Amino acid sequence: GESVGLHLPTLSVQEGDNSIINCAYSNSASDYFIWYKQESGKGPQFIIDIRSNMDKRQGQRVTVLLNKTVKHLSLQIAATQPGDSAVYFCAEILDSSYKLIFGSGTRLLVRP
Amino acid sequence: KAGVTQTPRYLIKTRGQQVTLSCSPISGHRSVSWYQQTPGQGLQFLFEYFSETQRNKGNFPGRFSGRQFSNSRSEMNVSTLELGDSALYLCASSPGFSSEKLFFGSGTQLSVL
Repeated sequence: GESVGLHLPTLSVQEGDNSIINCAYSNSASDYFIWYKQESGKGPQFIIDIRSNMDKRQGQRVTVLLNKTVKHLSLQIAATQPGDSAVYFCAEILDSSYKLIFGSGTRLLVRP
Repeated sequence: KAGVTQTPRYLIKTRGQQVTLSCSPISGHRSVSWYQQTPGQGLQFLFEYFSETQRNKGNFPGRFSGRQFSNSRSEMNVSTLELGDSALYLCASSPGFSSEKLFFGSGTQLSVL
């Protein structure tokens, strides 16, 4: 939305390049992780998810990697397009907590 | 399927007033969650409802409350508004089981003057 991310870290990439967005999560007991994309004026949109018993999951042009040892999550976007420009959030869920804990977000800018 | 619908889209209030925001979840979804989004604090969990029962609550003062109706629609209320309550309020729905993705609405942008 309009109020999102005035002081977010920004990743600037050339159209067609690959993008890697990183996230450190907070709780070693979290068992489910999600990446969301938020465009201006919209709510977060689901991109891809991964459970704690996996270390990699692939979708269409996106891959999520999970490293539980260092509590790190990454989102890889292949052949980045102008439509990928947005703020990206990682989120974690503790089993049975019914709530998402969001990271602080990264703004992705795609240069034409 | 229609997505999560939030009304109103924009709202302007003054300090001390109260406000009610509405959320209609995706058809068939029984869980509704509310989040507050601000530039300084990011996305923060407010509360979650399932079958008209609050299952989890975030660290917000008692001025923030919510409820869910039998048709799964939900409302949240903020009383005695403060300037710091200015934020984007997002509603999300899911079928209602743990460890599953949430689908978000576009939010209600609340400005407190």
